[in-house]
Amino acid sequence: DAGITQSPRHKVTETGTPVTLRCHQTENHRYMYWYRQDPGHGLRLIHYSYGVKDTDKGEVSDGYSVSRSKTEDFLLTLESATSSQTSVYFCAISEHRVGQDLRQPQHFGDGTRLSIL
Amino acid sequence: AQSVTQLGSHVSVSEGALVLLRCNYSSSVPPYLFWYVQYPNQGLQLLLKYTSAATLVKGINGFEAEFKKSETSFHLTKPSAHMSDAAEYFCAVSSYNQGGKLIFGQGTELSVKP
Repeated sequence: DAGITQSPRHKVTETGTPVTLRCHQTENHRYMYWYRQDPGHGLRLIHYSYGVKDTDKGEVSDGYSVSRSKTEDFLLTLESATSSQTSVYFCAISEHRVGQDLRQPQHFGDGTRLSIL
Repeated sequence: AQSVTQLGSHVSVSEGALVLLRCNYSSSVPPYLFWYVQYPNQGLQLLLKYTSAATLVKGINGFEAEFKKSETSFHLTKPSAHMSDAAEYFCAVSSYNQGGKLIFGQGTELSVKP
């Protein structure tokens, strides 16, 4: 199994509070992704990173920010959590050796279940 | 634009019966396709991938999928279902945008009856 650790695994917080989720990998993969999973929607991309300090938006990025100061860590921050951000969040990594190699699969962490009351 | 459609949000089979989970894709460029499985409270695990080398792809746990360009399909099959196959299954296509993100279908929950 790919070495991906997400923390925390579960979190309950209140509307308006900041929340940071962490993804840590031991595979030295260049690409890292944050997805959210909601019933009826499958998984949708929030943000991704293609290297240290190199990040970009996904399709549902509003209300989220990310940072990647080291190859192994990718942080997702909800600056002011809202109830609509209650979801299960997954981190994924992918080894694109040269540029963007779409043949490489993504490997997923076990997820963070976030509830915002 | 690329998209994936999984037909049937719930599929129920008897143990030992054929498993068929349907996936159709839409892509204006050659697609790279994946099937993932998700067990309760776990992440997604790669079952198999199609990257244009062979149209019939074999994966883990006895699953396989056939890429049919004429039908824009990538259906997942297993000859004989086992109780441990009960899970949610996702079909996905690699996007040419946004870092090669995966575009997922809505998922199919497979139940296996004894």
